[in-house]
Amino acid sequence: DQQVKQNSPSLSVQEGRISILNCDYTNSMFDYFLWYKKYPAEGPTFLISISSIKDKNEDGRFTVFLNKSAKHLSLHIVPSQPGDSAVYFCAASAKNNDMRFGAGTRLTVKP
Amino acid sequence: KAGVTQTPRYLIKTRGQQVTLSCSPISGHRSVSWYQQTPGQGLQFLFEYFSETQRNKGNFPGRFSGRQFSNSRSEMNVSTLELGDSALYLCASSLEGVDEKLFFGSGTQLSVL
Repeated sequence: DQQVKQNSPSLSVQEGRISILNCDYTNSMFDYFLWYKKYPAEGPTFLISISSIKDKNEDGRFTVFLNKSAKHLSLHIVPSQPGDSAVYFCAASAKNNDMRFGAGTRLTVKP
Repeated sequence: KAGVTQTPRYLIKTRGQQVTLSCSPISGHRSVSWYQQTPGQGLQFLFEYFSETQRNKGNFPGRFSGRQFSNSRSEMNVSTLELGDSALYLCASSLEGVDEKLFFGSGTQLSVL
């Protein structure tokens, strides 16, 4: 079953604008959420995370928001750069359980 | 510190054959997990090994198996290959568990003809 869903397979934004990637989950036991970025021919690399006790976490141009009541997670990239073009995976885990991943969103940032 | 290393990078096999993939985790990481990535399906969890023991298992048939050695290196085996097994197989390591930040290798791209 797909406990983590990324409903937008692709997103295209202009350089300098904000990119917003969304993720929904169904398992209320998830308490740790992450975003990974993946370039072609490489494995996913960790981008940013948030625990369920927080609703926002920032790291430079990247901010993750968590809305527990809506079971919704989003990643904001401001400003977007062409080098941000990649596939972004949302992931979630519950203590001692495997991490579940969404299907990914392909972000294209146009110069 | 060296990252997660997976070998080989590419494999071509035919239906019915078996295949073994190898993964060397980051030094000091004791948890190794395996994922299958197919287009549109994201990363599907196969299994996790910790201290040479399988600790978590995903929803894959018994044709998929793995093991971990005392130096934390891990292998994944797929027997009686099917066309649907064509995928990118990713290995990830972490310090203690599959529920924390994972560090991924570049993957093994398996094509079954």
